[in-house]
Amino acid sequence: DSGVTQTPKHLITATGQRVTLRCSPRSGDLSVYWYQQSLDQGLQFLIQYYNGEERAKGNILERFSAQQFPDLHSELNLSSLELGDSALYFCASSESAAGAGGYEQYFGPGTRLTVT
Amino acid sequence: GQNIDQPTEMTATEGAIVQINCTYQTSGFNGLFWYQQHAGEAPTFLSYNVLDGLEEKGRFSSFLSRSKGYSYLLLKELQMKDSASYLCAVRDTGGFKTIFGAGTRLFVKA
Repeated sequence: DSGVTQTPKHLITATGQRVTLRCSPRSGDLSVYWYQQSLDQGLQFLIQYYNGEERAKGNILERFSAQQFPDLHSELNLSSLELGDSALYFCASSESAAGAGGYEQYFGPGTRLTVT
Repeated sequence: GQNIDQPTEMTATEGAIVQINCTYQTSGFNGLFWYQQHAGEAPTFLSYNVLDGLEEKGRFSSFLSRSKGYSYLLLKELQMKDSASYLCAVRDTGGFKTIFGAGTRLFVKA
């Protein structure tokens, strides 16, 4: 158990819908990262937050957005869902944003999204 | 651009040694990670290299050559439970973004 929690574990929804994925980082971790992993694909970095502020953006679609709240939990919002959005969505956390220490990321169990 | 290359699949025998290579071309470099991921599960951290050389941690070792843009993960005394995907990842200069390779799926056979 990494200490990172994600809800829900599974989500099945229809095309065109909107969903919200939730992540709670490890106690003390200020950074939260979101990744998408499609079937048999590598991890695609979506976005990173540090202490409530966006720090880095990857290949995140405009239909996707995220935020990190004062209590450090984060939400990833996916809208106008398409079949191709079906994937595992991982959240990870680390102590710091960058630099020395706290460099490794601890991953949550993931949310499996199925768009039908 | 950002590019991380790893072999797609490898097969090795229980008890043997296997080396998984990773080459990278990234706009910046602030460390290289190896993660292990079993199918359908979350990745777990194995190692981190930021300076050239070998880092050893039990049965696992990781090597980095920054001038060559090259790393490898060495797994010794292979066990069946080592069958998993191994992900090479590079953190960029600012340290905020980590780019993952597609992973190498390792099959350990008896």
